[in-house]
Amino acid sequence: DTAVSQTPKYLVTQMGNDKSIKCEQNLGHDTMYWYKQDSKKFLKIMFSYNNKELIINETVPNRFSPKSPDKAHLNLHINSLELGDSAVYFCASSSKPPFWDSSTDTQYFGPGTRLTVL
Amino acid sequence: AQSVAQPEDQVNVAEGNPLTVKCTYSVSGNPYLFWYVQYPNRGLQFLLKYITGDNLVKGSYGFEAEFNKSQTSFHLKKPSALVSDSALYFCAVRPPESGNQFYFGTGTSLTVIP
Repeated sequence: DTAVSQTPKYLVTQMGNDKSIKCEQNLGHDTMYWYKQDSKKFLKIMFSYNNKELIINETVPNRFSPKSPDKAHLNLHINSLELGDSAVYFCASSSKPPFWDSSTDTQYFGPGTRLTVL
Repeated sequence: AQSVAQPEDQVNVAEGNPLTVKCTYSVSGNPYLFWYVQYPNRGLQFLLKYITGDNLVKGSYGFEAEFNKSQTSFHLKKPSALVSDSALYFCAVRPPESGNQFYFGTGTSLTVIP
């Protein structure tokens, strides 16, 4: 069974459109994340939710809005898509929240969603 | 400010030769250190981590990494490279006061030449 899954795998859309990317984890983790990987392969955290509560909200345009209907799901909705939004978006999960001092915890990543804005 | 550096964008090594992918970090305190691998069109996979104890950490697929506190480095190594090791490798640090917030390096593309 896939631990962290994302849909869709590929998303091609026009500028100005609104789109959503879904993420689900079946690991029983409490915390989920969204990362953006740009064309230079630089990986940067965007958001983190713990038990449906927003914990980390990095400097991201407010066109990006995460939504967590339950702790197994964290969806990313993007309004008014721009060319610069083209990237690969990764979802991840961990058992402990971002500010929990646990030496044994790590993050598990989904396969990524390649977003191309034309 | 917390930072992670992977000084080499690209590393090429012949199959069967030892490989090293470099990582240095700049964080306060004693961080937890991680290596992830990303195969083409795939998500990141956890390889290994250093928390405390022995400076040489062994991980998946025959990889190991050596923590050097004085040099603030955590280089990834493998004694004998395989063509299937060709992938993108990310070093990550988790500063102790940040809980589970990770900071990733920019990645190193490893190509193993048959």
